[in-house]
Amino acid sequence: EVQLVESGGGVVQPGGSLRLSCAASEFTLTIYWMNWVRQAPGKGLEWVANIKPDGSEKSYVASVKGRFTISRDNANNLLYLQMNSLRAEDTAVYYCARGSESSGYRSSDYWGQGTLVTVSS
Amino acid sequence: DIVMTQSPDSLAVSLGERATINCKSSQSVLYSSNKMNYLAWYQQKVGQPPKLLIYWASTRESGVPDRFSGSGSTTDFTLTISSLQAEDVAVYYCQQYYSYPQTFGQGTKVEIK
Repeated sequence: EVQLVESGGGVVQPGGSLRLSCAASEFTLTIYWMNWVRQAPGKGLEWVANIKPDGSEKSYVASVKGRFTISRDNANNLLYLQMNSLRAEDTAVYYCARGSESSGYRSSDYWGQGTLVTVSS
Repeated sequence: DIVMTQSPDSLAVSLGERATINCKSSQSVLYSSNKMNYLAWYQQKVGQPPKLLIYWASTRESGVPDRFSGSGSTTDFTLTISSLQAEDVAVYYCQQYYSYPQTFGQGTKVEIK
């Protein structure tokens, strides 16, 4: 069964950095757009970033542009989110999600369980 | 950015009754060249990640019960649960993937009356 497992979350001080990882199994990352979506505690969903299968195109929500970097290692079936200059408002559960082939890789058909990032002093 | 607005914020429906959730986009999400609406619906149960229910506004994801249906076009969309079951208690989100950034509605909480 398709699985996505996020890791790397934790507590970090404002201005600090974290790198999130997402390990994919039972499918090969190679042909899929991949997304990061976050959810602040008790709030709704916010799309953060996505990346083309070959890594040549990346898009970000404005609030993280210049601070976050999405990347991938297709050989090892891994997706990453490097988060720098973290702010309190970045506190959220971060989900990695696979682009759905049926929707042209635009919607997300498989999601991980998420990893919690808490930015606090 | 395209703003997605759902209504209502919450609703309580009796078991077996119909639940209707609306989603309005601030701009058209209908792509003229292929006549497809770039709109998806997700279900999120407590403590779980979202689950894709509907894409292209009306195409049901594999394995999703047929009591879930999506309709609408351009800027106005609806998710209908034809006969509410206990396991449908969740928050439902619409999402546009027509343009970046992809944006979600604020969510609609569905409960049992």
